[in-house]
Amino acid sequence: GAGVSQSPSNKVTEKGKDVELRCDPISGHTALYWYRQSLGQGLEFLIYFQGNSAPDKSGLPSDRFSAERTGGSVSTLTIQRTQQEDSAVYLCASRGQGDTGELFFGEGSRLTVL
Amino acid sequence: GENVEQHPSTLSVQEGDSAVIKCTYSDSASNYFPWYKQELGKRPQLIIDIRSNVGEKKDQRIAVTLNKTAKHFSLHITETQPEDSAVYFCAAGTSGGYNKLIFGAGTRLAVHP
Repeated sequence: GAGVSQSPSNKVTEKGKDVELRCDPISGHTALYWYRQSLGQGLEFLIYFQGNSAPDKSGLPSDRFSAERTGGSVSTLTIQRTQQEDSAVYLCASRGQGDTGELFFGEGSRLTVL
Repeated sequence: GENVEQHPSTLSVQEGDSAVIKCTYSDSASNYFPWYKQELGKRPQLIIDIRSNVGEKKDQRIAVTLNKTAKHFSLHITETQPEDSAVYFCAAGTSGGYNKLIFGAGTRLAVHP
């Protein structure tokens, strides 16, 4: 596609439910990142993929958070047993090969946990 | 790991004035320092970046400076316009290969006509 696509754009869920957020990166981009942006806050690093492997999961806040990437393309971020503090915008970004460092962000998935 | 501090958190200027946003980083291995602009309700977008082999880079009204010794880098916007109003994020990381970018907390810039 022309850009990074994320779905759903908005998700409202009840505390304790599981949610899945999807990211479809720019075609051919090998690197994929997940960031979290709480209201009025900065971009908190969650996880990074190079191809299908995740060399850096250091930003995942707890074991309720997991992510996978299949076929070197689409990635899914799963949050189990959601808590109110999980409410945020989850941003995905991708980067192409080569030395360019530019990340291309999606529009984000806004998660609200009631 | 890398830690990026960004100041100020909010900045208000009159149209035509200059704006300066400053960041510090902790990891001396970082060699790539981009700046992203996020307009209200929009996705962050790269506006300028600098690598550690240069001390300054300019693009029209925007310039970035880097002091590797002090681990400081700054964004300078001259002749500000209302459309410059946005949240600006600095970041630090390593270019090429594995590029983990750590972002600062952001600066909300308001340019008043």
